[in-house]
Amino acid sequence: QSVLTQPPSVSAAPGQKVTISCSGTSSNIGNNYVSWYQQFPGTAPKLLIYENNKRLSGMPDRFSGSKSGTSATLGISGLQTGDEADYYCGTWDSSLSAYVFGTGTEVTVL
Amino acid sequence: QVQLVETGGGVVQPGRSLRLSCAASGFTFSTYGMQWVRQAPGQGLEWVAVISNDGNNKYYADSVKGRFTISRDNSKNMLFLQLNSLRAEDTAVYHCAKDLTTLILAIDSWGRGTLVSVSS
Repeated sequence: QSVLTQPPSVSAAPGQKVTISCSGTSSNIGNNYVSWYQQFPGTAPKLLIYENNKRLSGMPDRFSGSKSGTSATLGISGLQTGDEADYYCGTWDSSLSAYVFGTGTEVTVL
Repeated sequence: QVQLVETGGGVVQPGRSLRLSCAASGFTFSTYGMQWVRQAPGQGLEWVAVISNDGNNKYYADSVKGRFTISRDNSKNMLFLQLNSLRAEDTAVYHCAKDLTTLILAIDSWGRGTLVSVSS
């Protein structure tokens, strides 16, 4: 069982915005950087956001990240059918001395 | 272009061992931390282990601590994972992964993975 909690699924119409929450504790999100990953079925994950809100070069600015206290949020604006995937948060847990992933969220475009 | 290619997976009986390898190319291997991440069929991501760029620091998930060993050969651009005392719950696709830093911050490159199936 993961120490980071995400909603199982979120959905919205094309062009709308969705947000995905990632809830943790002071030993993980509260004191460490958060990353977000996108995974399409049958493929390896892809890094979307690192250090809470930074995007790798070439990543669309429709994807945004933020962090407040022991929670982090991924936002996807201008939703497209190609955004349908599973999304995971991840961070270091200082108490466990281990990297932890969130439970994962499935995004559906209505 | 970063390439990570895992090999060594297969079907193995409970209690037996397996050694996974990952051939890395397209970047300066000795500069980056490397990790193993696994995903059981139909399940989420589970982090397994990380090794620092110089091999001096290693961390493991509690679920594999004492059974799995991560190592690297910087002269050959290779990452390894020794899996001992395998259990049914270790069945998963194992991905080799590269970090953004010398140890662990965020995984910016992933291999396609190799399937380990533990079954009698």
